[in-house]
Amino acid sequence: AQSVTQPDIHITVSEGASLELRCNYSYGATPYLFWYVQSPGQGLQLLLKYFSGDTLVQGIKGFEAEFKRSQSSFNLRKPSVHWSDAAEYFCAVASPVDTGKLIFGQGTTLQVKP
Amino acid sequence: EAGVTQSPTHLIKTRGQQATLRCSPISGHTSVYWYQQALGLGLQFLLWYDEGEERNRGNFPPRFSGRQFPNYSSELNVNALELEDSALYLCASSRGLQETQYFGPGTRLLVL
Repeated sequence: AQSVTQPDIHITVSEGASLELRCNYSYGATPYLFWYVQSPGQGLQLLLKYFSGDTLVQGIKGFEAEFKRSQSSFNLRKPSVHWSDAAEYFCAVASPVDTGKLIFGQGTTLQVKP
Repeated sequence: EAGVTQSPTHLIKTRGQQATLRCSPISGHTSVYWYQQALGLGLQFLLWYDEGEERNRGNFPPRFSGRQFPNYSSELNVNALELEDSALYLCASSRGLQETQYFGPGTRLLVL
């Protein structure tokens, strides 16, 4: 069965420090991969996506993610975190054979220390 | 360009009642998706509508149903509400098959 694992439930980083959020997926082929962010009480905002091609993808707000097929991973990174980045981050996968369904990880809550 | 809109923002019901949640997709988007975000259960896929037809549904009982209108807006109906239906219900839309889903702000349903 398809699944997404975000190993870190909660991460705290200092403002200005670098950030890496981990995401591993289990899927028979290369899925479509996404990172979304959710601020408290809000919907999900798309940060970036990977469908094919260059394995390093750039997103909004200075985020990037790297697809590593050999590790079944799609980790999210940011070189310098801002206080406004505090939120919950979700990794998601979708089947290239469209079922319309996004499968989400459990989410990682990011806290930013001043 | 306006994003996905959902109404109401909050809804309070009692057990056994019915709830109706509404979603308007981004202009030009024909697919609408519904997800449930319940405490402790994460984000779960509920339903997918495209061109007025139900294309796929998640592992939810039949009392969760919906429809898509000719203008591509959608309704989610939850009958015979149970306490565990309390959750944030998120709607998303996309241009069609294999396209990125964009989410609305959600409707928070509380069942008492």
